[in-house]
Amino acid sequence: QKEVEQNSGPLSVPEGAIASLNCTYSDRGSQSFFWYRQYSGKSPELIMFIYSNGDKEDGRFTAQLNKASQYVSLLIRDSQPSDSATYLCAAKNRDDKIIFGKGTRLHILP
Amino acid sequence: DAGVIQSPRHEVTEMGQEVTLRCKPISGHDYLFWYRQTMMRGLELLIYFNNNVPIDDSGMPEDRFSAKMPNASFSNLKIQPSEPRDSAVYFCASSLVPEKLFFGSGTQLSVL
Repeated sequence: QKEVEQNSGPLSVPEGAIASLNCTYSDRGSQSFFWYRQYSGKSPELIMFIYSNGDKEDGRFTAQLNKASQYVSLLIRDSQPSDSATYLCAAKNRDDKIIFGKGTRLHILP
Repeated sequence: DAGVIQSPRHEVTEMGQEVTLRCKPISGHDYLFWYRQTMMRGLELLIYFNNNVPIDDSGMPEDRFSAKMPNASFSNLKIQPSEPRDSAVYFCASSLVPEKLFFGSGTQLSVL
């Protein structure tokens, strides 16, 4: 079973601090990795994607990928209350299937 | 573009009834995915299409579920007969390439 694993949380982070979200995947053939944000009662929306080992930064968000360890992470700097949501990690395998983790609930404390 | 459009937004039905969920993908997107989301199992891939052709339906839970994409502008997911355990939010998503998915608003299905 090819899976994407995430800690369900909730992860509580003070406003202004760095939130760190982690994800592991089991399929070594996975090629691309994504972070989606889902507000309660809403649909997921893509916020970051990464293909290569290392870091990728976009504004307050940094995605990190380590293919040797099969590990993906998302850092959110200067956390805001509006960042409170569930963050879904996803991986695309060689069959073009996009598999999601169950998500981590993030709560930014004002 | 209006984005991915799903209908209905909410569906309440009785066990044994047929349920049809509908999706209109973003124009020009070649890929269409159907997912189901529950608290217990998260977001599960049911089936996906490329250029209207079903590519992988291994996530369809059983024969009660079927999905079609008769043209580039429309797909439906049918459950017949429906069961209480089918209650979930069903999302349709489309993409230009099978990576950056754009999700519809979802259909909240309740089977009583």
